[in-house]
Amino acid sequence: EVQLVESGGGLVQPGGSLRLSCAASGFIFSSYWMTWVRQAPGKGLEWVANIKSDGSAKSYVDSVRGRFTISRDNAKNSLNLQMNSLRADDTAVYYCARFDYGLGSYYIDYWGQGTLVTVSS
Amino acid sequence: QTVVTQEPSLTVSPGGTVTLTCASSTGAVTSGYYPNWFQQKPGQAPRALIYGTNNKHSWTPARFSGSLLGGKAALTLSGVEPEDEAEYSCLLYCGDAWVFGGGTKLTVL
Repeated sequence: EVQLVESGGGLVQPGGSLRLSCAASGFIFSSYWMTWVRQAPGKGLEWVANIKSDGSAKSYVDSVRGRFTISRDNAKNSLNLQMNSLRADDTAVYYCARFDYGLGSYYIDYWGQGTLVTVSS
Repeated sequence: QTVVTQEPSLTVSPGGTVTLTCASSTGAVTSGYYPNWFQQKPGQAPRALIYGTNNKHSWTPARFSGSLLGGKAALTLSGVEPEDEAEYSCLLYCGDAWVFGGGTKLTVL
């Protein structure tokens, strides 16, 4: 059974930093791209970042590029999101999800339950 | 940045059929946008339904189908059940970024 469990969320002051982690199990982690998606309170989903299976390619939404860094440790089956210079509009539930390519398309299939990040003074 | 637009809300009767759409501000949506659809119920994580325009995941009920319709990606629910009441979001690949639509709140009434 595929499982994705996020951790590391919490309350942080504007300008502060936080590191999110996602523990993956039930599949060959090193074979899959992974992604972070966030959802501000009462708002829609927003794609944040992707990382290739071997970590050699990364992409980010414009609003976080230069402040957030996605990384992974395939030996530990772990996905991370280092978030620096946090702003109030980064407040959201952050979801870890599996991202892959099959049948001619990219897709997100499995999602974690999310971890809440609140940026406030 | 590309804006992806969905109907804010739709209402359907149980047993009925409803189509949700997903449009791109840059023009017609094609298969190259790799349309994905997700269902989300209050307090839960999203659940994947459709990818690559019309491919279903192993858990996707048969009553859900995807297509391209009039330059948009579309999600059709046929024989709607009360449990289908939820928020539905589409995801498109737009250049070098992935963009979600704002979501459609589907009410089954």
